[in-house]
Amino acid sequence: NAGVTQTPKFQVLKTGQSMTLQCAQDMNHNSMYWYRQDPGMGLRLIYYSASEGTTDKGEVPNGYNVSRLNKREFSLRLESAAPSQTSVYFCASPRGGLAETTGELFFGEGSRLTVL
Amino acid sequence: RKEVEQDPGPFNVPEGATVAFNCTYSNSASQSFFWYRQDCRKEPKLLMSVYSSGNEDGRFTAQLNRASQYISLLIRDSKLSDSATYLCVVSSNTGGFKTIFGAGTRLFVKA
Repeated sequence: NAGVTQTPKFQVLKTGQSMTLQCAQDMNHNSMYWYRQDPGMGLRLIYYSASEGTTDKGEVPNGYNVSRLNKREFSLRLESAAPSQTSVYFCASPRGGLAETTGELFFGEGSRLTVL
Repeated sequence: RKEVEQDPGPFNVPEGATVAFNCTYSNSASQSFFWYRQDCRKEPKLLMSVYSSGNEDGRFTAQLNRASQYISLLIRDSKLSDSATYLCVVSSNTGGFKTIFGAGTRLFVKA
């Protein structure tokens, strides 16, 4: 899926360490999202960005910060990682932008993060 | 109560079987409905949108019942390649963006 690219694909952190997950999309979409996926919980929205320069909290924002660097890139930062943040993180972008919720969501391949 | 609920399964069916997945949602203002497919350790991908009139795509049929707040997915003539997790997704754009994913139903199709 060349549309949405995430890095890194795997990361192991110790409690208290910080790291940034990078996401880039080449589809010229306005909106970008960060989800986390945990067993039995489904995907939960962490933060989203409706357009360049704007970000908003989703369902589970605590412990995370985001930055919409430009239209292509949306990064997710863990300032002080905790074991509860062990999860699979997905970046996504919908066709048509935030208001067009009838559009398809394109996901990156995911980033598997383990916090020890 | 979760906003989108699915039977977690797993469903174990033989090739050629017909299998149905159900999903209920709690937000009556929901506007858009989808089924996504997620293969093991992969990202979710759109399988099909769900329309009020119901829609069919080959062996797959999706139905929506707004009165009961219920969505279904029917897979006929199951193939080995249908083995995956199926995610029910509900979106609304009232009071802010909201797309809610169900936890998914796991399907195993056996030869």
